[in-house]
Amino acid sequence: RKEVEQDPGPFNVPEGATVAFNCTYSNSASQSFFWYRQDCRKEPKLLMSVYSSGNEDGRFTAQLNRASQYISLLIRDSKLSDSATYLCVVNPATGRRALTFGSGTRLQVQP
Amino acid sequence: EPEVTQTPSHQVTQMGQEVILRCVPISNHLYFYWYRQILGQKVEFLVSFYNNEISEKSEIFDDQFSVERPDGSNFTLKIRSTKLEDSAMYFCASSSLGGGHEQYFGPGTRLTVT
Repeated sequence: RKEVEQDPGPFNVPEGATVAFNCTYSNSASQSFFWYRQDCRKEPKLLMSVYSSGNEDGRFTAQLNRASQYISLLIRDSKLSDSATYLCVVNPATGRRALTFGSGTRLQVQP
Repeated sequence: EPEVTQTPSHQVTQMGQEVILRCVPISNHLYFYWYRQILGQKVEFLVSFYNNEISEKSEIFDDQFSVERPDGSNFTLKIRSTKLEDSAMYFCASSSLGGGHEQYFGPGTRLTVT
């Protein structure tokens, strides 16, 4: 089983749509969880951390289910500028800082 | 907004040559990292550095690689004898001591080994 698994997509959605991405992770001891976005040939940019209680930042909502080892990202009212690859990222263990990246889910928002 | 910077943006080198990739982390951050991304693949952790020593490294980070903080601002990755399979995007990242371990990435150096 991959350490961090994501549906590669692509997800093609119209502007204004709501889209959800899911991610599963294999290490139950994982401590910290993040969503990053990556534009083509650019660096990963931190979108948001994911907390156990769930958190929201504008149009973006992240959820964590530790029992199922599952993380989600919901994007409401999609914009053309949201087109990117969304990376699910996990810090796998206490005392360690190495991040483990998923392969990413590609989103294409169409006019 | 403070950001991580990296130089050069693109480095072309011949197999067997040594390369040094440079990074300036965010100024009040204390943890520094190198990651790489081979074209079309996922981002992979190489090494983390704290308090002037390596704190973690992956299996990828073998004897061919080394890191250094030569002064108060730069953080470097040296690849001693480059191989074709070292061709990748190399990202530097940094994070603060506390908080949620959020890491901020530089724009990357594209290394092409011919």
